[in-house]
Amino acid sequence: EDQVTQSPEALRLQEGESSSLNCSYTVSGLRGLFWYRQDPGKGPEFLFTLYSAGEEKEKERLKATLTKKESFLHITAPKPEDSATYLCASDAGNKLTFGGGTRVLVKP
Amino acid sequence: NAGVTQTPKFQVLKTGQSMTLQCAQDMNHEYMSWYRQDPGMGLRLIHYSVGAGITDQGEVPNGYNVSRSTTEDFPLRLLSAAPSQTSVYFCATGVSNQPQHFGDGTRLSIL
Repeated sequence: EDQVTQSPEALRLQEGESSSLNCSYTVSGLRGLFWYRQDPGKGPEFLFTLYSAGEEKEKERLKATLTKKESFLHITAPKPEDSATYLCASDAGNKLTFGGGTRVLVKP
Repeated sequence: NAGVTQTPKFQVLKTGQSMTLQCAQDMNHEYMSWYRQDPGMGLRLIHYSVGAGITDQGEVPNGYNVSRSTTEDFPLRLLSAAPSQTSVYFCATGVSNQPQHFGDGTRLSIL
């Protein structure tokens, strides 16, 4: 059975304090690893798709990386507007398996 | 450009009632899907469709029906609502059978 585990469950950061979120997966035949951002009361917002180990993608202060067993979302010098829940999901063919998410709070 | 539109935003039902959650998209995406999001459970796939006339079950399909008569619309029907179906429901669309655009959800409470 495909499994995706995110850690930590919650993360409190000071503005400017860089950190990383972890997404561990056990999937047969991974076709892609997705990262989303979700704000309260909203649907997930697509951030990145990673397809192969060693791949990296960046968007503003966010950088996602992928290995054969896990993915990391690095937040560099975060700002309060980066506060959100970050979700990762694995794609093994038409069906995404989501992790439970990491709630990030960035304080000014 | 509205993207993915879900209606209603909120709904309260009594046990045993039926209802349809609507999802409409204007991006001409072939792939559409329904998820439910529960505290501590993450998002779970209910049903998905890879094109008009084609639907398939996800992880938690019991108690739900879908149909896909057009590219634009993918309604989710609750046949006989149960308290266990209290959740937030999200519709998602995408290309290459990967969900990239989510609606803002329908918050459903069943008493």
